[in-house]
Amino acid sequence: GNSVTQMEGPVTLSEEAFLTINCTYTATGYPSLFWYVQYPGEGLQLLLKATKADDKGSNKGFEATYRKETTSFHLEKGSVQVSDSAVYFCALSDGGSGNTGKLIFGQGTTLQVKP
Amino acid sequence: DTAVSQTPKYLVTQMGNDKSIKCEQNLGHDTMYWYKQDSKKFLKIMFSYNNKELIINETVPNRFSPKSPDKAHLNLHINSLELGDSAVYFCASSQGRQPFSSQYFGPGTRLTVL
Repeated sequence: GNSVTQMEGPVTLSEEAFLTINCTYTATGYPSLFWYVQYPGEGLQLLLKATKADDKGSNKGFEATYRKETTSFHLEKGSVQVSDSAVYFCALSDGGSGNTGKLIFGQGTTLQVKP
Repeated sequence: DTAVSQTPKYLVTQMGNDKSIKCEQNLGHDTMYWYKQDSKKFLKIMFSYNNKELIINETVPNRFSPKSPDKAHLNLHINSLELGDSAVYFCASSQGRQPFSSQYFGPGTRLTVL
């Protein structure tokens, strides 16, 4: 079945460090890929998405490129801030038969940024 | 203006009780979802409705019954609550259910069953 695997957390970085959170997926067909962020005590917010191979999603300094050849969608940011501390979820939506829109999530990666 | 709202935000109840969680979206979307987030923060789809029609019904105990009175509302009723039902429940909505449709989430309802 379809699945998403993220790197184990927590990830602890100093402010202004470079961030990479790895995400790989298994899916049939042509899924769309998403990154969601969950700040403490809040719901999920869509961070960025990519809907086809080689697309790059970007938002708030975060980027991720849809790599079909490596089935990956790694999240990157050049310089993290304390306010980026949150849980990051990689997800895919494969449509499948009937186009249900179902999102399949990775297990989440906790990022802690220290001043 | 809250896009996707849920009530209540916190729900503490005894085993065996029946409870409901309400969700409303003002985005004009036609598709709504319920997800469950467990204590390890793992998220899993439970149900989805499109134009008030049930589209997704994952392997969820039949104690859980979703109800969609109109496109803007999707409620979740849970009968005979069990300890294992303790979790955070998130409502979400999207316009359409294609793979590229973005889903917008509510703030979550933290259910604690004692």
